Amino acid sequence: GDSVTQMEGPVTLSEEAFLTINCTYTATGYPSLFWYVQYPGEGLQLLLKATKADDKGSNKGFEATYRKETTSFHLEKGSVQVSDSAVYFCALSATNKLIFGTGTLLAVQP
Amino acid sequence: DTGVSQNPRHKITKRGQNVTFRCDPISEHNRLYWYRQTLGQGPEFLTYFQNEAQLEKSRLLSDRFSAERPKGSFSTLEIQRTEQGDSAMYLCASSRSGDTDTQYFGPGTRLTVL
Repeated sequence: GDSVTQMEGPVTLSEEAFLTINCTYTATGYPSLFWYVQYPGEGLQLLLKATKADDKGSNKGFEATYRKETTSFHLEKGSVQVSDSAVYFCALSATNKLIFGTGTLLAVQP
Repeated sequence: DTGVSQNPRHKITKRGQNVTFRCDPISEHNRLYWYRQTLGQGPEFLTYFQNEAQLEKSRLLSDRFSAERPKGSFSTLEIQRTEQGDSAMYLCASSRSGDTDTQYFGPGTRLTVL
């Protein structure tokens, strides 16, 4: 069945460092792909999405490109801030639902 | 545009009790979803509604769980005879027709079963 695999965390970075969180997927058909962010004790916030191959989603300095040939949707940010510390989830759209990865904890130190 | 709201935010109950959670979706969204998230995991799909019709239920939704959306607006999720394994965050999401894949989540209800 459809699935999402994310790199395991935690990822610990210093402020202003470059961020990459890897995400690969297995799916039949051509799903939409998403990144969500979850701050402690809160629900999920949609960060960005891409609906077809080669689309780039972007928001708040974060970017991810839908790569069909490598079935990947890696999240990147050029310069992280302490306020970016959170858990990041990669997800794909399956029939009438989202399928999530296990999440990657990002900790940014000042 | 108010977001998805959920009540209560936290619920502590004793094993064997019944609990009910409420979700109010974004007003123009006709689809509503329930997910469960356990510690260190991503959310897992439980069920979804299109308007008032419950169209799909996951095998995770045992017969102790029931969800309703009687007028196609808010939804309730009830768990009967709670077990310690039901302890989790219960998340509600909604999406609109024309972009059903893009789901917007509420803050969740954290259930602790003692």
